[in-house]
Amino acid sequence: GIQVEQSPPDLILQEGANSTLRCNFSDSVNNLQWFHQNPWGQLINLFYIPSGTKQNGRLSATTVATERYSLLYISSSQTTDSGVYFCAVLWDDMRFGAGTRLTVKP
Amino acid sequence: SAVISQKPSRDICQRGTSLTIQCQVDSQVTMMFWYRQQPGQSLTLIATANQGSEATYESGFVIDKFPISRPNLTFSTLTVSNMSPEDSSIYLCSVRRDVSYEQYFGPGTRLTVT
Repeated sequence: GIQVEQSPPDLILQEGANSTLRCNFSDSVNNLQWFHQNPWGQLINLFYIPSGTKQNGRLSATTVATERYSLLYISSSQTTDSGVYFCAVLWDDMRFGAGTRLTVKP
Repeated sequence: SAVISQKPSRDICQRGTSLTIQCQVDSQVTMMFWYRQQPGQSLTLIATANQGSEATYESGFVIDKFPISRPNLTFSTLTVSNMSPEDSSIYLCSVRRDVSYEQYFGPGTRLTVT
């Protein structure tokens, strides 16, 4: 089956710093989404981005489908950005990466 | 988007008992899914529950342990049967939009088995 790899596994930032999270996938996909899981376990949809670039406030994402990777950019990070960020791809069904655990310190 | 609610939000159960989790969606959807997230892990698909057909289970999950109902296009239940401490996880309901394939998740049910 398809492999979804996220890096880095853990990331610690000071408030105000910028970061880039990466998602590599091993096959062509129909859909790619980024989620943020907050400390209460809720999965928040960040981006639906099978290809191209999207921006939403301090967050942006780029997917290069032909090269099988996606990037999530977080600028001017805040403590509320802490949590786990998941990349998920739709192949035969939705497959999740292992996640990047982000901690933003004040 | 889709608004999804789950009941209960959390529960503590004794081993050997069963718990039924309910999932309600604010609009009709064809494709619904149940996922499990074990502590510190990513999400794993348990089964796909499409209305009008039997649920399709992923490898490692069986109907006797995780029976699923899908009586209509806005509702589904997942039962965790004969529970053991290894079943302690977050269980999440999810729906996928028919046209865009964008997927949404409910708030999850945090289950602890003692």
